[in-house]
Amino acid sequence: GQNIDQPTEMTATEGAIVQINCTYQTSGFNGLFWYQQHAGEAPTFLSYNVLDGLEEKGRFSSFLSRSKGYSYLLLKELQMKDSASYLCAVRDSNYQLIWGAGTKLIIKP
Amino acid sequence: DAMVIQNPRYQVTQFGKPVTLSCSQTLNHNVMYWYQQKSSQAPKLLFHYYDKDFNNEADTPDNFQSRRPNTSFCFLDIRSPGLGDAAMYLCATSRDGGTGANVLTFGAGSRLTVL
Repeated sequence: GQNIDQPTEMTATEGAIVQINCTYQTSGFNGLFWYQQHAGEAPTFLSYNVLDGLEEKGRFSSFLSRSKGYSYLLLKELQMKDSASYLCAVRDSNYQLIWGAGTKLIIKP
Repeated sequence: DAMVIQNPRYQVTQFGKPVTLSCSQTLNHNVMYWYQQKSSQAPKLLFHYYDKDFNNEADTPDNFQSRRPNTSFCFLDIRSPGLGDAAMYLCATSRDGGTGANVLTFGAGSRLTVL
């Protein structure tokens, strides 16, 4: 079967850096997405990786290693508004999106 | 602004009483999706439309139906809601089925409560 694994919950301090990991086992690979979802709201797109390496976008960066089936989302200079769930999703060989259950990130002052 | 709009945002229904959730989009995207998301779980794809072509996920219960009368609108009908159907229902759109950095744009969701 296809599977996306992420930690259920993480806690970090305002101003710090946090890395949220995602490992996947899917039938093929056609890209990996990270979405942010605030409580009770819809997911919003953060990043897309299809080749190995690091993609940087402001305070957020996303890394991919296809050989290891591994990605991480790096959040720098954490702000209270970054408290949310972060969903990892992989597009498989049939171009279907396989979603992780999300990592709830709690930011403390 | 181009967007995806879902109505109602909150829906309370009684066990077995039919419910219809709506989704409209001004993005002119040809693919529309309905997801079910329960607390702290991954979104679960119920069905999607590629233009007028309807694609039902194999494990979507018959209790769930969908209509897409035109490019802009899509409806989710729950014929006889059970307690297990209480969830957030998310509508999303994309420009095509999945090539490239094909990002999903989500509506704000409709939260269904079943009494």
